[in-house]
Amino acid sequence: AQKITQTQPGMFVQEKEAVTLDCTYDTSDPSYGLFWYKQPSSGEMIFLIYQGSYDQQNATEGRYSLNFQKARKSANLVISASQLGDSAMYFCAMREVERAGKSTFGDGTTLTVKP
Amino acid sequence: GAGVSQSPSNKVTEKGKDVELRCDPISGHTALYWYRQSLGQGLEFLIYFQGNSAPDKSGLPSDRFSAERTGGSVSTLTIQRTQQEDSAVYLCASSLAARTNTGELFFGEGSRLTVL
Repeated sequence: AQKITQTQPGMFVQEKEAVTLDCTYDTSDPSYGLFWYKQPSSGEMIFLIYQGSYDQQNATEGRYSLNFQKARKSANLVISASQLGDSAMYFCAMREVERAGKSTFGDGTTLTVKP
Repeated sequence: GAGVSQSPSNKVTEKGKDVELRCDPISGHTALYWYRQSLGQGLEFLIYFQGNSAPDKSGLPSDRFSAERTGGSVSTLTIQRTQQEDSAVYLCASSLAARTNTGELFFGEGSRLTVL
């Protein structure tokens, strides 16, 4: 079974609007971390935000927030006030202590911001 | 520089040749990963080194692929008898913490391999 599932291959959003990118995960490890990365067309991978499995509050980093619903095993990324520069591929990833800290990535979602 | 360094940035080779891709992680990072990414696609896990433990080679697609990490630092990914389907960007990443759920990955800029 796939450990990280991103069901949206492509998403469109109007500039200045908010958008939610979906991510669900599967693990039996009680201690894990969830990450989101951005990959613009230039190719570099940029870390955006982190959520620990024991964190009580949703993580936020500027315009990025992570909607963490532990019981549903979902970790959706919310981007507020979208900008043209947000157009990129976004990857959800999980790191599990039981797997020696190995990171597993989803297949990614391509976000296009329309002017 | 302080980031993950990969070389070469671009490599064009003929089918059947061997290639070596190098990754120099951030100093002190104990975890090192190799991923493969085809155009517009996701990250395909290849191999994971964690400290002095035996590497997780579960993602290597065939025995033509091998990797080593010398002295817990620099890593080399070797592809023998390259095939056209090996054409992709090979990404290396490292992270500070090892057996933990924290610590993001720091990626290099990748090595683009083209097999003619």
